[in-house]
Amino acid sequence: KQEVTQIPAALSVPEGENLVLNCSFTDSAIYNLQWFRQDPGKGLTSLLLIQSSQREQTSGRLNASLDKSSGRSTLYIAASQPGDSATYLCAVLTQGGSEKLVFGKGTKLTVNP
Amino acid sequence: EPEVTQTPSHQVTQMGQEVILRCVPISNHLYFYWYRQILGQKVEFLVSFYNNEISEKSEIFDDQFSVERPDGSNFTLKIRSTKLEDSAMYFCASSVDPGRVAFFGQGTRLTVV
Repeated sequence: KQEVTQIPAALSVPEGENLVLNCSFTDSAIYNLQWFRQDPGKGLTSLLLIQSSQREQTSGRLNASLDKSSGRSTLYIAASQPGDSATYLCAVLTQGGSEKLVFGKGTKLTVNP
Repeated sequence: EPEVTQTPSHQVTQMGQEVILRCVPISNHLYFYWYRQILGQKVEFLVSFYNNEISEKSEIFDDQFSVERPDGSNFTLKIRSTKLEDSAMYFCASSVDPGRVAFFGQGTRLTVV
């Protein structure tokens, strides 16, 4: 059974700092991995999707990497801003025809001005 | 930009009542999903729906739950005989296929009293 873990659970940084969020998964046979952003009381916004054959994806100040063999992904946020404050969720789609995303519990990020 | 729309945003119901949560997926998407997030817990998969039938469901999705696509645009989740533990945020999502980006709605907060 796929399990996804995210550390740290919470992170507080001053504005402008570069930071890394971690995600690990127990079953390396994944089809893809997605990073989502969740604002309080709101839905999930997809930030980046990495296919299992890819090593990384970039969008603006965000860079996500994937090491499938070790069951790890990182989300790198450059030059953080107060508007980046949110909970960041990692989710994997396992190979074998499953259609369900398995989520981690998330990292709650606070960027202080 | 196309988006997944959910109504209502908040629903309060008495224990034992039936509720219907509604969703309008993105128009050219073929796969539809329901997820839920109990306060403080992970987002968890309930069911996926493709070609007018359930394609995958979790152990949570028992006889209390049902889904329907009553017309060409709406996708509904019905919860019968609601229990206190059904209180959660329910998210609808859609995608072109499971390997592509999943777009989530803003969620319906269900409170069972």
